[in-house]
Amino acid sequence: EVQLVESGGGLVQPGGSLRLSCATSGFTFATYSMSWVRQAPGKGLEWVANIRQDGNEKYYVDSVKGRFTISRDNAKNSLYLLMNTLRADDTAVYFCARESPDMSTIFFDYWGQGSLVTVSS
Amino acid sequence: SYVLTQPPSVSVAPGETATITCGGNNIGGKSVHWYQQKPGQAPVLVVYDDTARPSGIPERFSGSNSGNTATLTISRAKAGDEADYYCQVWDSRSVHLHVLFGGGTKLTVL
Repeated sequence: EVQLVESGGGLVQPGGSLRLSCATSGFTFATYSMSWVRQAPGKGLEWVANIRQDGNEKYYVDSVKGRFTISRDNAKNSLYLLMNTLRADDTAVYFCARESPDMSTIFFDYWGQGSLVTVSS
Repeated sequence: SYVLTQPPSVSVAPGETATITCGGNNIGGKSVHWYQQKPGQAPVLVVYDDTARPSGIPERFSGSNSGNTATLTISRAKAGDEADYYCQVWDSRSVHLHVLFGGGTKLTVL
């Protein structure tokens, strides 16, 4: 059974930092690209960042470029998101999502349960 | 930048057919994927590549895509289908990776 379990969320002050983790099991992690997707309270889904299987290619939505860093440890079957210089509008539930292996498009076939990040003083 | 437009809400009577649209410029040339999200839960993939269903998703869920509109159709709607539904595409025109979601449609079964 494929499982994605996020952790590391919480309350942080504006300008602070937080590191999210996503522990995975039930599939060969090293062979899948992975993404983080967030959802602000009462709002829709927003893709945040993506990392390829070997970790050598990473992409970010413009609003987090230079502040967030996505990474992975294939030996530990884990995905990470380091968030620096956090702002109030980063407040959201952050989902870890597995990308489909379809090379012609990108969609997410498995999701974690989400981790809430609240940026507030 | 590319924009996906969904109606904020759709209502359907139990047993009837619900249609949720996702508009975008020449979206028929892209692969469209659909997610169902119930309150407090993670999204669930219900249709991918315009028309395909993941295993475990009922045949009542179907998709189509042509021109400037992609459509998710839910036949014989049930109370358990009440949820937010999101369309999603990959905008491959840019050198940057752009994964885009529509704004979401709240489906009410009443």
